[in-house]
Amino acid sequence: KNEVEQSPQNLTAQEGEFITINCSYSVGISALHWLQQHPGGGIVSLFMLSSGKKKHGRLIATINIQEKHSSLHITASHPRDSAVYICAVRIAGNQFYFGTGTSLTVIP
Amino acid sequence: NAGVTQTPKFRILKIGQSMTLQCAQDMNHNYMYWYRQDPGMGLKLIYYSVGAGITDKGEVPNGYNVSRSTTEYFPLRLELAAPSQTSVYFCASSFTGQLEQPQHFGDGTRLSIL
Repeated sequence: KNEVEQSPQNLTAQEGEFITINCSYSVGISALHWLQQHPGGGIVSLFMLSSGKKKHGRLIATINIQEKHSSLHITASHPRDSAVYICAVRIAGNQFYFGTGTSLTVIP
Repeated sequence: NAGVTQTPKFRILKIGQSMTLQCAQDMNHNYMYWYRQDPGMGLKLIYYSVGAGITDKGEVPNGYNVSRSTTEYFPLRLELAAPSQTSVYFCASSFTGQLEQPQHFGDGTRLSIL
């Protein structure tokens, strides 16, 4: 059983589509982290949030602590958004549990 | 802006050999982490450190050792390499002064044990 579950595992979208990636977790957390892993393997932090909603450009992240759920939205998707998106939760002691990722492909 | 630097980027080892994966950060972060990423799996925490001289085990510590003599460096040691340790290894760091401080990742070390 994974502490962090993501859906969908794979997602293909046409350029311009609105995309939603979901993350559910089963443990008490202090914060949730959305990461982007590029095809070359590098990992970049997108958002770290403990409540509410954050927006950065075309990316929006929301979290509902009571429901133990977070979503990552991409508006007006573009082929350069193609990557693996990873959800991670921070628990007591500053350890992190990671989801297996959602592989997104945006087709021109 | 170096951030988190990992060396080497690639390495092939024979079973039973030993090696050290290097990790350095120049952001004065107090927390540092070592993860491994296997195909189709989420990152798994191997070891972490909350400051110089302090280390602790994560989910999958067996077969590895770490040290943290300074804030900047957090090397990961494989003493007797086994095929099960074939993986991509990521080092990360964070500053925990505030709740929403993100982790910063190195580019990874791809390690194959043959």
